[in-house]
Amino acid sequence: AQSVTQPDIHITVSEGASLELRCNYSYGATPYLFWYVQSPGQGLQLLLKYFSGDTLVQGIKGFEAEFKRSQSSFNLRKPSVHWSDAAEYFCAVENQGGKLIFGQGTELSVKP
Amino acid sequence: GAVVSQHPSRVICKSGTSVKIECRSLDFQATTMFWYRQFPKKSLMLMATSNEGSKATYEQGVEKDKFLINHASLTLSTLTVTSAHPEDSSFYICSARSPAGELGEQYFGPGTRLTVT
Repeated sequence: AQSVTQPDIHITVSEGASLELRCNYSYGATPYLFWYVQSPGQGLQLLLKYFSGDTLVQGIKGFEAEFKRSQSSFNLRKPSVHWSDAAEYFCAVENQGGKLIFGQGTELSVKP
Repeated sequence: GAVVSQHPSRVICKSGTSVKIECRSLDFQATTMFWYRQFPKKSLMLMATSNEGSKATYEQGVEKDKFLINHASLTLSTLTVTSAHPEDSSFYICSARSPAGELGEQYFGPGTRLTVT
């Protein structure tokens, strides 16, 4: 069965430091992968997506993610974190039925 | 573009009453809408897939008689929580997919906070 694992429930980084949020997926075919961000009490905003092609994907707000098929990973990165990046981040894979399967989420806190 | 709204943003109701939540695609036509439920500090759980003009498809374990979904038009889907109980209190989020949109992309509404007292 398809699944998404985000190993880190909560991460704290200092403002200006680099960030990497981990995501591992289990999916038989070529995955469609997504990263979403959710601010408290809000819906989800798409940061970036991977369907095919270049395995390094650029997104909004300075985020990027790299698809590594050999590791079944799609980690999200940002070179310099801003206080406004504090939020919940969700990795997701779309299955053949067009449904999104979400990871458990990683809560990001940013220290001043 | 690609804006999805939900109404109301939060609602408090008494146990035993029914509550209707609306999900609208404002600037595109959505043949498929999805309803999710999110518990505090938890991930999103897909409840059902709603296709315009047909019956919704519910995920395993979701009571279709309790969570009534109607997708009567290409821009509106509604979720009605019938005979609500405190355990139905949650954050409900809808998303919409446009057939003309990019492959696989869903646009999410801002969510509705339901509290049942």
